[in-house]
Amino acid sequence: SQQGEEDPQALSIQEGENATMNCSYKTSINNLQWYRQNSGRGLVHLILIRSNEREKHSGRLRVTLDTSKKSSSLLITASRAADTASYFCATDGNNDMRFGAGTRLTVKP
Amino acid sequence: AAGVIQSPRHLIKEKRETATLKCYPIPRHDTVYWYQQGPGQDPQFLISFYEKMQSDKGSIPDRFSAQQFSDYHSELNMSSLELGDSALYFCASSFGRQGPGGYTFGSGTRLTVV
Repeated sequence: SQQGEEDPQALSIQEGENATMNCSYKTSINNLQWYRQNSGRGLVHLILIRSNEREKHSGRLRVTLDTSKKSSSLLITASRAADTASYFCATDGNNDMRFGAGTRLTVKP
Repeated sequence: AAGVIQSPRHLIKEKRETATLKCYPIPRHDTVYWYQQGPGQDPQFLISFYEKMQSDKGSIPDRFSAQQFSDYHSELNMSSLELGDSALYFCASSFGRQGPGGYTFGSGTRLTVV
């Protein structure tokens, strides 16, 4: 079963809008990472947030982590058509990594 | 719900040995992707299969081969193992090559070459 579950599974927005994706997980973690995947190929690492951090920023990306609720969110601000991709959270704990189900983001020009 | 099953979860091999990793996609998923993630690295795309045919090829070494069988499960065969092959190997599946219904990842196989 999936360690992380992304919510929503699919998201469609207009260019310039913000996109928020959520991820929940079940077990304790060392850190949580967000990846994007284009066209079923390589996974691109976006951002890592450690279990003792609550928020992290990188460019137009903002990630929050709530370990009490075992959840994380990824916010992409001022979205662009090039942001269209699948986004995954992955949790890292006890020497393994678990990927969530992913959110398919479509940004319409 | 059924997920992507990978076996074995852990594997220890010696240099120059061979290893076979297996991936069982979600029922009705026809596309399988293989990734290799070395320590501290991003997952690297190796190869994918769609309807039992190779669909796309990434950075898969010549010592590795893979195939997708009639029941859509896939096997990654690794020969002449090297220490640098130690990594976490992920498999993902989707319905359709572009995964319009989304991708599902397995929990990975951790291969250690000693």
